[in-house]
Amino acid sequence: ETGVTQTPRHLVMGMTNKKSLKCEQHLGHNAMYWYKQSAKKPLELMFVYSLEERVENNSVPSRFSPECPNSSHLFLHLHTLQPEDSALYLCASSQGSGASGVNTDTQYFGPGTRLTVL
Amino acid sequence: AQKVTQAQTEISVVEKEDVTLDCVYETRDTTYYLFWYKQPPSGELVFLIRRNSFDEQNEISGRYSWNFQKSTSSFNFTITASQVVDSAVYFCALSSVYGGATNKLIFGTGTLLAVQP
Repeated sequence: ETGVTQTPRHLVMGMTNKKSLKCEQHLGHNAMYWYKQSAKKPLELMFVYSLEERVENNSVPSRFSPECPNSSHLFLHLHTLQPEDSALYLCASSQGSGASGVNTDTQYFGPGTRLTVL
Repeated sequence: AQKVTQAQTEISVVEKEDVTLDCVYETRDTTYYLFWYKQPPSGELVFLIRRNSFDEQNEISGRYSWNFQKSTSSFNFTITASQVVDSAVYFCALSSVYGGATNKLIFGTGTLLAVQP
């Protein structure tokens, strides 16, 4: 069973393009996350959604725009990216809703989208 | 401040050797969780284990074992009789109950394990 899926797996785009990354979780979870993984750097948390509401935005540039239409789907809309945005973008989900403000459930990750910005 | 340190950047072993991946963490919280994830070349982060700060018992799962020692703030991971399929980047991560309003995982920089046939 593939709990968290991401499409596309690979994406090459120019700096003026607009594209979207899609993530879908089949685990019945309530929270979803976007991470950025660049070479030689720790994973960086970008956005967190809990029960379809954004609860965390780690100073991410506005050229990255997340969307969470329901608890199973998460998108990352990309526009006017820079070459330094080239990275592996990972989606994850976890059980808890974080309704109490605290959530330490295990996060399950998708396979990632390898993004190259030319 | 919370921090996870994986001092070993790369390890290379020959198949069937045992290998230990080190993880040292920093947190001021008394309640926290530690994780290990495996990232094979395909890119997906595969969850291996979650351990809370009140459970210091070592855990064994097949060829994998974990040694949690609060006294040294370490959560080391040992693979016994390594296999080529164990080749991957392994990440240690920390999540604190009081780390914020969300489930914020603090990752180490990872250890690349190469198992040679």
